[in-house]
Amino acid sequence: EAQVTQNPRYLITVTGKKLTVTCSQNMNHEYMSWYRQDPGLGLRQIYYSMNVEVTDKGDVPEGYKVSRKEKRNFPLILESPSPNQTSLYFCASSLRGLIREQYFGPGTRLTVT
Amino acid sequence: DQQVKQNSPSLSVQEGRISILNCDYTNSMFDYFLWYKKYPAEGPTFLISISSIKDKNEDGRFTVFLNKSAKHLSLHIVPSQPGDSAVYFCAASAGANSKLTFGKGITLSVRP
Repeated sequence: EAQVTQNPRYLITVTGKKLTVTCSQNMNHEYMSWYRQDPGLGLRQIYYSMNVEVTDKGDVPEGYKVSRKEKRNFPLILESPSPNQTSLYFCASSLRGLIREQYFGPGTRLTVT
Repeated sequence: DQQVKQNSPSLSVQEGRISILNCDYTNSMFDYFLWYKKYPAEGPTFLISISSIKDKNEDGRFTVFLNKSAKHLSLHIVPSQPGDSAVYFCAASAGANSKLTFGKGITLSVRP
C-alpha cells in the first residue's frame, strides 16, 4: 500500500529536550515536505526537499532542522523544542514534477511543556 | 500576508443540500488550485484540482469553479452527505514544481 508514515503519532516533551519525528514514504517520491498546522493558521511549510541531499527552507523554518540522506526518509529534528512548537505536524511527498499533488502522512501531535 | 484566504471558518448544511466552500487568492502567479479534505486524526487527502486554463472541473459530486478575474474559486458539493463533514483546505501553486500555499481551512458539518 502506497503511504507516508510518521512516528511517533503523539509526543509530549519538555522544553529543550531534543527530539526527532521520522517520516518515510514507499512511493519513490523525490519531493518531501514538512508542514505544521495551527488553529487559525492552516498548513504552513517548514522545510522541503527536492531530492536526496537537497533541502530548503519553507515559510516557518526557525527552530527546525531536516536531513535527506535517503530518498524514502525525511526526518524533522527539533534541537531545543520550545512551547511555541506545540503543533500538529504533517509530512508529505510527491513526484518531483507533481509537487502540487502531495500525499500526506497521518500527522504527529507534539506538545512541548 | 496571506495569499490564499478562506474567510469563513465553518459551514453547516443539511444532508442532501448543496455545500459551497469559497476561497480567494491574491497572487496572480498562481496557476493551479487544489482542494484537500482532512478528517480528524488523519492527514489531508487530495480531493479535486483545477488549472487556470479552465473555469470548471467536475468529479462526481464535487465541482470546483475558478473565476480568475475575481481571483476566486469555490468548491460545490452536491448533494452533501454526512461523510463529507471534514476540514477543507484550499491550496494554490505557481508552476508544477512550485510549493503549495494553503488557506486556513474551513470546517464543513453536514447535518443528517
